[in-house]
Amino acid sequence: KNEVEQSPQNLTAQEGEFITINCSYSVGISALHWLQQHPGGGIVSLFMLSSGKKKHGRLIATINIQEKHSSLHITASHPRDSAVYICADATDKLIFGTGTRLQVFP
Amino acid sequence: GAVVSQHPSWVICKSGTSVKIECRSLDFQATTMFWYRQFPKQSLMLMATSNEGSKATYEQGVEKDKFLINHASLTLSTLTVTSAHPEDSSFYICSARGFSGQANTGELFFGEGSRLTVL
Repeated sequence: KNEVEQSPQNLTAQEGEFITINCSYSVGISALHWLQQHPGGGIVSLFMLSSGKKKHGRLIATINIQEKHSSLHITASHPRDSAVYICADATDKLIFGTGTRLQVFP
Repeated sequence: GAVVSQHPSWVICKSGTSVKIECRSLDFQATTMFWYRQFPKQSLMLMATSNEGSKATYEQGVEKDKFLINHASLTLSTLTVTSAHPEDSSFYICSARGFSGQANTGELFFGEGSRLTVL
């Protein structure tokens, strides 16, 4: 079974800062999801990627298949980015990371 | 974009009663839906995979007789928590894979989640 780990577990930042959240996994995958879970519980899928890099607005996700590692970057962070960010192995069934709780202060 | 609607968003029930949660794909057909559970401050855990027209596939440790899943149409899956107990209190959320034509796009769309409290 794939072990999906995230770091850091908790992250605080000042508005405008560049944020990086890391995800590593133990077994090779074919696809990885980055999800955003808001305080109320609702979940939004941010990215699904299997190689390289994807960008959407201020969010950038990268994956290095050889190193079994993915990163989610947020540029010019804003308080509304405060949420839990979760990576998940999407090769077969979803295996979720433990999540990173981000708080961005004005 | 694709939308998955989940209902109810929260429910309180007495111990021993059953609770049904609905998950609908509003503008696309979902042959496969997934049900997850999340306890406070813990990761999401996949409970089962709901397949339209066939039996659900349950993850290890999830009691299929307690968590009944029905996927009778291409747009609706239901999860029924039978004889609920306080330890079943949790956040339940569904998701569906997006389709374009006949192709599975791989994208995941999540319902809003249902917070169950069993007294």
